Amino acid sequence: GAVVSQHPSWVICKSGTSVKIECRSLDFQATTMFWYRQFPKQSLMLMATSNEGSKATYEQGVEKDKFLINHASLTLSTLTVTSAHPEDSSFYICSARVGQIQETQYFGPGTRLLVL
Amino acid sequence: DAKTTQPNSMESNEEEPVHLPCNHSTISGTDYIHWYRQLPSQGPEYVIHGLTSNVNNRMASLAIAEDRKSSTLILHRATLRDAAVYYCILRASGYSGGGADGLTFGKGTHLIIQP
Repeated sequence: GAVVSQHPSWVICKSGTSVKIECRSLDFQATTMFWYRQFPKQSLMLMATSNEGSKATYEQGVEKDKFLINHASLTLSTLTVTSAHPEDSSFYICSARVGQIQETQYFGPGTRLLVL
Repeated sequence: DAKTTQPNSMESNEEEPVHLPCNHSTISGTDYIHWYRQLPSQGPEYVIHGLTSNVNNRMASLAIAEDRKSSTLILHRATLRDAAVYYCILRASGYSGGGADGLTFGKGTHLIIQP
């Protein structure tokens, strides 16, 4: 099956610093990837849709200047949390769509971010 | 996306079958029924999907009601490794070509497996 990786798997940073999370499709090309966020004991919430070669589309309430998304190639999307604060601490998960009709998505293992 | 309703939690014994229900009374004719599961501290994992006919794969079976207003995910022989939150999600067929096409996750069913 399709494999999606994320790096790093966990990160601890100081408040005010920026953190970059990578999402890679390992054995397929993904023109579209998605970024989700999950707070403890809650469900996943879609943050943005990352399109290769074009600007990302953000969900309502998600600050595009704070969560920078770059989809520079068909196998890599990055999410940069700029000027991170403790309230940004969360589990960040990416996914890639396989197929355009039935839209199965394959998810990365997630990145746990803790901002001190 | 149309709304789905699932029980908050279910409990089953190891090596017994598990039937996870999902109600989707407002499903449209072009909506596929997808199931994903999320093990603790991991990203979600695709389980199975279907449109009208029952589906089987190596992980599970999907039984879809004739009127499509409900479906059931069947784990034929649950193991401790099947303990996870199971999400039933409807997705319209086709590709909108842009915009937000991500999945909308509800609260899912927390499946507890007793040894």
